[in-house]
Amino acid sequence: QSVLTQPPSVSGTPGLRVTISCSGSSSNIGDFYVNWYQQLPGTAPKLLIYGTNQRPSGVPDRFAGSKSGTSASLAISGLRSEDEADYYCAAWDDSLYGIIFGGGTKLTVL
Amino acid sequence: EVHLVESGGALVQPGGSLRLSCVASGFTFGTYWMTWVRQAPGKGLEWVANIKSDGSEKYYVDSVKGRFTISRDNTKNSLYLQMNSLRAEDTAAYHCARAYDYADSGHDWGQGTLVAVSS
Repeated sequence: QSVLTQPPSVSGTPGLRVTISCSGSSSNIGDFYVNWYQQLPGTAPKLLIYGTNQRPSGVPDRFAGSKSGTSASLAISGLRSEDEADYYCAAWDDSLYGIIFGGGTKLTVL
Repeated sequence: EVHLVESGGALVQPGGSLRLSCVASGFTFGTYWMTWVRQAPGKGLEWVANIKSDGSEKYYVDSVKGRFTISRDNTKNSLYLQMNSLRAEDTAAYHCARAYDYADSGHDWGQGTLVAVSS
């Protein structure tokens, strides 16, 4: 069981918007930034969001990260079929003194 | 372009040892934190360890403390993970990644090397 809690799955219709939540605590999300990753089948994870809400170059602005208190969210707007993948959040945890990942969320584009 | 290539994965018996390597190119290796993250077959991501640019700070997930050692050789642009007393639950693809600080789970990732622990 992960310290960061993500829904196992979410789904959405092409063109619309979905959000993926990542729930933590004051020892991780509450005090540290969050990274988000996209993992397509059979490939290495790709950084989507760093520093809670920053996009690396090349990541479209359809992807947006935010945080409120001890929870973070990844919003994907203008959903496309190629967005179908697993998504993970990650943050440092000051109680465990290490980096923790959420359990991952499988996004299905209907 | 950042390029990270892992190697050293293999099939090993429980209790055995293995040393993973990660060769970096496309950036000034000696100025970045580096991290190892693993993914068991069909499972999620798990951070394993990370190391500061000069090797002076290292952090490990509890499950590998005392068994795994992360190290680096900045003259060879290389990162290592020495794994001892391997267990079945260490079976995973191991990825190295470039990071910006101790709290960073990794910006740029390698494709990974597979470690299988089985008798």
